[in-house]
Parts: sequence; structure tokens; C-alpha cells
Amino acid sequence: DTAVSQTPKYLVTQMGNDKSIKCEQNLGHDTMYWYKQDSKKFLKIMFSYNNKELIINETVPNRFSPKSPDKAHLNLHINSLELGDSAVYFCASSQGGVYAEKLFFGSGTQLSVL
Amino acid sequence: SQKIEQNSEALNIQEGKTATLTCNYTNYSPAYLQWYRQDPGRGPVFLLLIRENEKEKRKERLKVTFDTTLKQSLFHITASQPADSATYLCALLNTGGFKTIFGAGTRLFVKA
Repeated sequence: DTAVSQTPKYLVTQMGNDKSIKCEQNLGHDTMYWYKQDSKKFLKIMFSYNNKELIINETVPNRFSPKSPDKAHLNLHINSLELGDSAVYFCASSQGGVYAEKLFFGSGTQLSVL
Repeated sequence: SQKIEQNSEALNIQEGKTATLTCNYTNYSPAYLQWYRQDPGRGPVFLLLIRENEKEKRKERLKVTFDTTLKQSLFHITASQPADSATYLCALLNTGGFKTIFGAGTRLFVKA
């Protein structure tokens, strides 16, 4: 069983479109995250949810809207996609609330905006 | 400004040797520091955690040191194998929690 699964694995779309990435974890964790890894491989946090509550929003454009319907799911919706949004997006989860000792990552969604 | 820096250049070593990777941080007060491994096309995988009051941690062929005075962590892989070839990411959780912040990673190549 995959611990943190995200879909789709690849997403190719045109500028201006709206797209969603889904994430599910079956680890029973209470905190979930979205990270963005750019072409230089730098992994940057975007959002964090703890028990379905948004606790971190790292100066991400408001075209990006996370949604957590329950503790096991954290989806990412992106409106009006831009070329600069092309990157790999990773979902992650952790236990331990504020002081998570380790993150479990999904395998990533490679987004290409043409 | 706050920074986490890892060697941007790839590290090439011969099988059987010890690989040493460096992580330096600036203007953070980490509660602890973590190391992850990332293979191409995959998400990072947690390897080790070391707390601010610990100097050294070991797990099988892996060893991590943490010097809060130098603001540096060293990650060692002893008796390296070609299967150890990957990108290794340093990450820290700042005092105050919630946010795990990553360095850009160092690519390691182990030659047979």
C-alpha cells in the first residue's frame, strides 16, 4: 500500500487553464503539506494543514488554493496557470503536529505549463 | 537572511570510500535537523534526525553530526556502494515548529 499517493503523476497543460492535483495519505497522520520543487531541485514549502486547518501559507499566489476535505486528503487547485508554475509538486504528511520529526512524501506530480 | 546551504556540486567517490556531505545554515535556530534521500522521479525519503542537544547519530552505515556553534551538520556514508548514488537533502525544523525547510541537496555518485 502506498503511504502517500498523489495524482496525476504527470500534468501537461496550456497557460491559463485550471488544474487540480490530489493527495491522499493512509498513515493516519494529522498534518499534510504541499511542497514545490523547481528546476534547480530546491524544495520549497507552500502550504501545511493540521487537522484540516490551514497553518502555513508561504506567500503563494492566491491562484493556488489548497483544500482539505478530511485529515487524509489535501488537494491543490491552481487557477490561470502560468509558465512559471512548471515544477514538480510534492505532497507530504507527518505525525506530531508542530514538531514533526519526519515527513513522508508522495512521488510527485510533474506539472508542465506550455 | 535565512539560508540552508549544501554543496551544489556533485560529489563523486569510489565504492568502499566514505562520502561526507555538508549542510550549513544561517539565521535559523533548529529544534532538529533531518537528512533525506531523493532518487530521480521520486519523493524524498527520510533517513535520520538529530536534535539540537545531540552531537552525533548513527544508523547502520550512516552517521550524522550536528554542531550548533558552527551551524553545520555533516552526513557520512561509510563503505559506500553504487546503490547509495542519489541526491541527499538536509532539512531543519526551526524553533517554533510546523515548517520543515530544505536545502537544495547534494548529488552523490558512487563509482564501482
